[in-house]
Amino acid sequence: GDSVTQMEGPVTLSEEACLTINCTYTATGYPSLFWYVQYPGEGLQLLLKATKADDKGSNKGFEATYRKETTSFHLEKGSVQVSDSAVYFCALKAGGGNKLTFGTGTQLKVEL
Amino acid sequence: DAGVIQSPRHEVTEMGQEVTLRCKPISGHNSLFWYRQTMMRGLELLIYFNNNVPIDDSGMPEDRFSAKMPNASFSTLKIQPSEPRDSAVYFCATGLEGKTGELFFGEGSRLTVL
Repeated sequence: GDSVTQMEGPVTLSEEACLTINCTYTATGYPSLFWYVQYPGEGLQLLLKATKADDKGSNKGFEATYRKETTSFHLEKGSVQVSDSAVYFCALKAGGGNKLTFGTGTQLKVEL
Repeated sequence: DAGVIQSPRHEVTEMGQEVTLRCKPISGHNSLFWYRQTMMRGLELLIYFNNNVPIDDSGMPEDRFSAKMPNASFSTLKIQPSEPRDSAVYFCATGLEGKTGELFFGEGSRLTVL
């Protein structure tokens, strides 16, 4: 079945450091890929998405590129801020419908 | 739009009591999902509806859990009887079938069963 694997957390960084959160997937066909973010005490919200190979999703300084050859969708940001502290979820949608398969989430802590 | 609205935000109850969680989807959205989030198990899909019809309830943990969607504007998740291991944050999420898969989440209902 479909699955998403993302790196274990927590990830702790200093402000202005570079961020990479790894995400790989297994799916039949050509899934759409997503990153969702969950701030403390809130529900998940869409951060960025990519719907086909080589697409790059970007938002709020975060980027991720859909790599079909490595089945990956790693999340990157060049300079993190304290306000980026949250849990980040990688997800995929395969086939019809809106059902998403989520990874286990990676907690990011950014310190001054 | 007000977004996905869940109630209650917090619920504390005793083991054996019935719990009902409610969700009002974003107007026009035709798919609705119930998720449960715990530290140990992460985010788990319990059930989802499309056009008010349950499509996949394979994630519902046992018969104590039931979900309904009587119309496009309202859904409930009921636990009867509740147990301490049901303590979790329950999220409702909605989306528009046929679009690129974005889901909109409510703020969650934090359930504590003593």
